[in-house]
Parts: sequence; C-alpha cells; structure tokens
Amino acid sequence: GQNIDQPTEMTATEGAIVQINCTYQTSGFNGLFWYQQHAGEAPTFLSYNVLDGLEEKGRFSSFLSRSKGYSYLLLKELQMKDSASYLCAVGLSYNTDKLIFGTGTRLQVFP
Amino acid sequence: EPEVTQTPSHQVTQMGQEVILRCVPISNHLYFYWYRQILGQKVEFLVSFYNNEISEKSEIFDDQFSVERPDGSNFTLKIRSTKLEDSAMYFCASSEGVGLTNEAFFGQGTRLTVV
Repeated sequence: GQNIDQPTEMTATEGAIVQINCTYQTSGFNGLFWYQQHAGEAPTFLSYNVLDGLEEKGRFSSFLSRSKGYSYLLLKELQMKDSASYLCAVGLSYNTDKLIFGTGTRLQVFP
Repeated sequence: EPEVTQTPSHQVTQMGQEVILRCVPISNHLYFYWYRQILGQKVEFLVSFYNNEISEKSEIFDDQFSVERPDGSNFTLKIRSTKLEDSAMYFCASSEGVGLTNEAFFGQGTRLTVV
C-alpha cells in the first residue's frame, strides 16, 4: 500500500518560520511535491524534489531524503495568507505521474 | 497566466443520474488527470490520460466512470449512475510532461452533490 504521513494541524505566528514534515512509504517514486490548498480551492503547486537536498523558492524551501523517505516544507517570514492546508504528494509512476497525496497539514497563522 | 478551467463549479444531481464534468486543460499540456476530494479527506487520484487513452486508473475508477477527450480542448469525466458516495470535489489537472516538467496544474474543481 501507499502511505504518506504528515501532521494534521500546526499553528504559528506571523513572521515566524514553520517546518511541515512528511514521511512516505510508496511502491514507486518519481518525485515529491508540495501543494498549497486554501479551503474550498484547488491545490496549487509549491515545489518539487526528485533528488536529495534542499530546493529554495523565495520564502518556501523543500527538502528531500530519499533514503529516509522524508521531506519537509519550510515556510519563512510567515504571513496571514499562508494559512492553508499543505499537501505532500508523491509521484508514483514515470509514465503517468499520478500523484498520491497525504491528508494535508492545516496551518493556521496567527498575528 | 494559463489555467485549467472546469465547468460547472457546482452540480447537484439525483442518485442514479448521469453527470458529465468538463475540463479545459492548458493548451500545450499532454497529460490529463482527474482527482477527487471528499469533504475533509485527502485528494485521491482517479485516472490519468495520455495520447487519447487511459494510462492509469485507481480502484475508485470503476465501470461507472469514463473519460473522454471529445475534441482538441475538452476533457470530460462521466459518472453513469451517481451514488451518494460520489459526492465530492472533482479536480481536473494537466501537465506538460513527466519528469522535471511534470508540475500538475489543477482546475478550481467541480463540487458534485448527489442527493
């Protein structure tokens, strides 16, 4: 089976840094994705890691360790608008790139 | 900025009725997907479509479901005889390719309510 685990909820304050962890055990691996989803809206792409290491993209960074089946999303200088669910997803198949999603981490940013 | 568009945004249907959810993927994309998200649950893969055929489908995608690309722009999901448990948000997505170019763009979704 496919297993992707991430914390259900996290809270943080504006201006702070937060790290959202994701562990996975899947039958295949063609990259790890992070998506942001505001309530009632579509997931929007944040980052993609296929090799080990850190990918930085403005206030957002994502890290991958394939040997540990582990990733994290780091959000810096938190803003109120960052309150959303953050979805960790694994791309399973090279041919189809179907994504298997975790349940998502709901982040609430307080002033 | 190019985007995936879905219609309708909301659909209410009676149990047993057929529904067709429509999507217009981004024009130069080659891979198309349907996902669903039951309220409060995770996003689940339904089906992927490439080169005018299904490339992969999940266990959820049974004989009641079908997909079609009737012309060069639309991508549809049909549910033949809806059940109460089909109530969910259905997302269409498309990507340019696979590998490093495989960022999937999601549409805004169609909220399907089966009564």
